[in-house]
Amino acid sequence: GDSVTQMEGPVTLSEEAFLTINCTYTATGYPSLFWYVQYPGEGLQLLLKATKADDKGSNKGFEATYRKETTSFHLEKGSVQVSDSAVYFCALSDDSGGGADGLTFGKGTHLIIQP
Amino acid sequence: EPEVTQTPSHQVTQMGQEVILRCVPISNHLYFYWYRQILGQKVEFLVSFYNNEISEKSEIFDDQFSVERPDGSNFTLKIRSTKLEDSAMYFCASNTAGGGTQYFGPGTRLTVL
Repeated sequence: GDSVTQMEGPVTLSEEAFLTINCTYTATGYPSLFWYVQYPGEGLQLLLKATKADDKGSNKGFEATYRKETTSFHLEKGSVQVSDSAVYFCALSDDSGGGADGLTFGKGTHLIIQP
Repeated sequence: EPEVTQTPSHQVTQMGQEVILRCVPISNHLYFYWYRQILGQKVEFLVSFYNNEISEKSEIFDDQFSVERPDGSNFTLKIRSTKLEDSAMYFCASNTAGGGTQYFGPGTRLTVL
């Protein structure tokens, strides 16, 4: 079945550092890939997405490129801020059946940015 | 901006009791979902719902669980006889088309004692 593997956290960085959170996936079809973010006490918010190979999703300075050859969708940001502290989830939608398949999530990576 | 809402934010119940978790999806959305997240574990898909019937469900979604759209706005998850292992955060989500971006609510934390 489908699966998503994320790097384990917590990840602790200083403000303005470069961020990479690794995500790799296994899927039978041609999935869409997502990064969701969960700020303390809030629900899951879509951060960015990519629907086909070589697509780059970007939002709020974050970006991730859909790499089919390495089955990866790593999240990057050039200069993190304290306000980026949150839990980040990589997810895929393998809706090859054309129905309402659920998302498959990774375990989440807790990011802590120190001033 | 429209958003998915969920009530209550926290529910405490005794083992064996029935609970109903409520969600109001975004108004023009057609597909509805429930997920759960046991503390420290992955967010797991439970069920999807479209056109007034279940579209997909996971192995977790056994006979103890049911979903309903009782009116034009609410989407509910019922657990008939709660177990300790049902303690988790339950998220509702909705989207306009199957396979599209799902928008999540803030979650209901269920604690079974």
